[in-house]
Amino acid sequence: GNSVTQMEGPVTLSEEAFLTINCTYTATGYPSLFWYVQYPGEGLQLLLKATKADDKGSNKGFEATYRKETTSFHLEKGSVQVSDSAVYFCARTPGSSGSARQLTFGSGTQLTVLP
Amino acid sequence: SAVISQKPSRDICQRGTSLTIQCQVDSQVTMMFWYRQQPGQSLTLIATANQGSEATYESGFVIDKFPISRPNLTFSTLTVSNMSPEDSSIYLCSVGRGGNEQFFGPGTRLTVL
Repeated sequence: GNSVTQMEGPVTLSEEAFLTINCTYTATGYPSLFWYVQYPGEGLQLLLKATKADDKGSNKGFEATYRKETTSFHLEKGSVQVSDSAVYFCARTPGSSGSARQLTFGSGTQLTVLP
Repeated sequence: SAVISQKPSRDICQRGTSLTIQCQVDSQVTMMFWYRQQPGQSLTLIATANQGSEATYESGFVIDKFPISRPNLTFSTLTVSNMSPEDSSIYLCSVGRGGNEQFFGPGTRLTVL
């Protein structure tokens, strides 16, 4: 089936630590992949995206590379800040079937960064 | 991106009543969606709001429980009917524009007593 599997949280890091949040997906065809972020009490914001294999999405120091061979889209940041504390969601479009706009979300990973 | 507003931002409702949530976008968009985010969980797509025709519902969601209107390309409503405590969630609308990404409204936090 079509799904998104995210690294379970919560994740707690010290400021300036390296962050990795794993995300793998299953889909037919070639989905687009996204990371969304939800800060406390707010809606979802698009953080970054990649639309084809080997694309690297980046924003605000976060990066993720579309790896078709491992069906992964892991989120990384070299040095996290307290302000990065939020819930991070991996998401994908269906690929080859269904509406190109229908998103399937992972379960979300709560990140807390301590000063 | 798009500027999306939702009303109300939050509400506390009694069991058995209904609540209509409004979603307004600052420009015309083709695709509008409604999601539910239950406490501590991820987002689940309820339906795609189609302009000029009936909404397309996902498995597990029905029109009688979640009627949706889409009178034009900038506005949609979702009604949560005959509410029970299990309907307590954040309800979010989103729009698709350009590429495959979606942009989300701030959400409506619903508590059913």
